[in-house]
Amino acid sequence: NAGVMQNPRHLVRRRGQEARLRCSPMKGHSHVYWYRQLPEEGLKFMVYLQKENIIDESGMPKERFSAEFPKEGPSILRIQQVVRGDSAAYFCASSPTGENTGELFFGEGSRLTVL
Amino acid sequence: AQKVTQAQTEISVVEKEDVTLDCVYETRDTTYYLFWYKQPPSGELVFLIRRNSFDEQNEISGRYSWNFQKSTSSFNFTITASQVVDSAVYFCALSGIIQGAQKLVFGQGTRLTINP
Repeated sequence: NAGVMQNPRHLVRRRGQEARLRCSPMKGHSHVYWYRQLPEEGLKFMVYLQKENIIDESGMPKERFSAEFPKEGPSILRIQQVVRGDSAAYFCASSPTGENTGELFFGEGSRLTVL
Repeated sequence: AQKVTQAQTEISVVEKEDVTLDCVYETRDTTYYLFWYKQPPSGELVFLIRRNSFDEQNEISGRYSWNFQKSTSSFNFTITASQVVDSAVYFCALSGIIQGAQKLVFGQGTRLTINP
């Protein structure tokens, strides 16, 4: 049962290092979404990607954050020069289409801790 | 604008009590989906239910039930005969097309504690 796979599940970085979070969507899904959950808060949309295209990055911080979804391989959320405020759970979701069908499946999340 | 409000930040009840978690939403979409997710202490998101805006039938699944009232824009969640394992943060969410993309808008969550 290949659901949405995220890795690593836990990542610890020191301030200034880079963090890379990976997300493999469900089989047959070509739409990927990243959400961030800060401590004690709900999830907030960050970015929506299709293969090789960023469709909507309106929720991404303007600096240090980037995302990609290459033709082959998982989607990657990259955070450069991490700061303590980046500590959060990052959830990936995938859907088979971009239409509002409600078919959205979440991974188990990647928890980033910045020391 | 799309918005989900979970006014109850924390709820604490004794085991076997019934408890209702409130969810009120705002949207201009005519077609949308409503969700409830459970986030146990381990941190993953557990999908509980998805409801289409055209389907206002209430749903029951074991000890869980959901009351969708389109007239009041509410989608409340009731746990009957609560158990300690129900302790978690519960999120209500709304799916719609925002700026051309399907997105989920989450409420702030309700932390439910079931005491033995």
